[in-house]
Amino acid sequence: AQSVTQLDSQVPVFEEAPVELRCNYSSSVSVYLFWYVQYPNQGLQLLLKYLSGSTLVKGINGFEAEFNKSQTSFHLRKPSVHISDTAEYFCAVSEGGGGADGLTFGKGTHLIIQP
Amino acid sequence: DAGVTQSPTHLIKTRGQHVTLRCSPISGHKSVSWYQQVLGQGPQFIFQYYEKEERGRGNFPDRFSARQFPNYSSELNVNALLLGDSALYLCASSRLGTGYTGELFFGEGSRLTVL
Repeated sequence: AQSVTQLDSQVPVFEEAPVELRCNYSSSVSVYLFWYVQYPNQGLQLLLKYLSGSTLVKGINGFEAEFNKSQTSFHLRKPSVHISDTAEYFCAVSEGGGGADGLTFGKGTHLIIQP
Repeated sequence: DAGVTQSPTHLIKTRGQHVTLRCSPISGHKSVSWYQQVLGQGPQFIFQYYEKEERGRGNFPDRFSARQFPNYSSELNVNALLLGDSALYLCASSRLGTGYTGELFFGEGSRLTVL
C-alpha cells in the first residue's frame, strides 16, 4: 500500500524568502506524484505533477518540485514567496492502474507567510 | 467552462440521519471521485466512478454508497450518520479512466456537520 508523509505540519516563512515543503512517499511500484494547494474554504487546485521524464517539474505560481527516486521524496520549492501563497499544501501519490485506489494524500503543510 | 460543482455547500444533520451530496463534473469528464476531508487532515479516498460503474473504493463502511448517472453527475449517500462523519466532502472529476494518471479537478466541497 502507498503512503505519503509530509514532515512539517506548519512552515512559517517571511515574504520574499525561499521555501521548501517536504514530502516523502512509500510505494512498492512506480508512482505518479502531485502537489495540490487548498486556499481557505475552497477545494484543491493542482500545482504540479510528476508522471515520468525529467525529475524537476515546474508548476503554476512559480512552484517547482524535484522527484528523487532513491530518497522517495518529492519536495516542493519556491524561490520567493508572497502573502498570497498562504494556504494548505498537500502532497499526493497515485499508483495508476485505472485509479482504483484513488489518490493517497499526506496530512498537509500549512504555509504561513509573514510580512 | 464550468468547473466541478457540488451541492449543497453546507448542511447540518443529526446522528442517525441520512445525507445525499451531489456533484456535477467538468463537461467532457467521465470519471468522478469522492473524498472525505476531516478537519486538519488530508483528503481520504471514498469512491471512484467511471462510465457509471464503480472502479474503486476506499476503506469506508457500507453506510457510504454512491452512484453515477448517465450524464456523469454523481451522488454520495451516507446512512446512519455518526459524529465522526462530520467533514468536508470533496468531489473530483477527471477525463481519463484506463491509463489514469491521478490528475483530478476538485469542487469546493460540501461541508457536513453531524450533531
